[in-house]
Amino acid sequence: DTGVSQDPRHKITKRGQNVTFRCDPISEHNRLYWYRQTLGQGPEFLTYFQNEAQLEKSRLLSDRFSAERPKGSFSTLEIQRTEQGDSAMYLCASSPLTGGSSPLHFGNGTRLTVT
Amino acid sequence: AQKITQTQPGMFVQEKEAVTLDCTYDTSDQSYGLFWYKQPSSGEMIFLIYQGSYDEQNATEGRYSLNFQKARKSANLVISASQLGDSAMYFCAMREVIKAAGNKLTFGGGTRVLVKP
Repeated sequence: DTGVSQDPRHKITKRGQNVTFRCDPISEHNRLYWYRQTLGQGPEFLTYFQNEAQLEKSRLLSDRFSAERPKGSFSTLEIQRTEQGDSAMYLCASSPLTGGSSPLHFGNGTRLTVT
Repeated sequence: AQKITQTQPGMFVQEKEAVTLDCTYDTSDQSYGLFWYKQPSSGEMIFLIYQGSYDEQNATEGRYSLNFQKARKSANLVISASQLGDSAMYFCAMREVIKAAGNKLTFGGGTRVLVKP
């Protein structure tokens, strides 16, 4: 169990640029989640995949945001035309398919700073 | 929609003492689950303890225990014998069923705990 891996750990970009983050979940986990966390707040749900299917998207996920999980393994989160309000920690988590008591296993996150 | 409320933004606790972190929730579901996570300054979210709505006994995991009062809709975390390494943000979260399939967690705003030597 190598844990959930996220890349990069930090990203600084200028307003208006596009950024892409990658998440590698725990290998046997079918479920993958993206959350956003701003300073001093709890994580907010963005989107959820079961295998390669994106089954839920939050209203927080504007049309500038897109997430994919093409082969049901790793996932990418892209933000187009970044804005300063996008500055946050982006957390990826995974969990197995069965068991409502199974916790989400989180990666260390990607911290995005938009200047 | 489900809601998690953590009313204590920050707390100090003396090393070796116990501390209780409050969490209240609001849901119309009969079946639900409650989770507590710890987030140190390094940023990773560490799962601590889980309580199912139908569990008759309060959950315990080492120095962590959950004071679950279903009628009051509260799920307070108790950390016994606090250690300096317990200094962190603590988040309460509720499992919410996603209509298509699966579930997700909804988090509260967190409580920052600082353990004093």
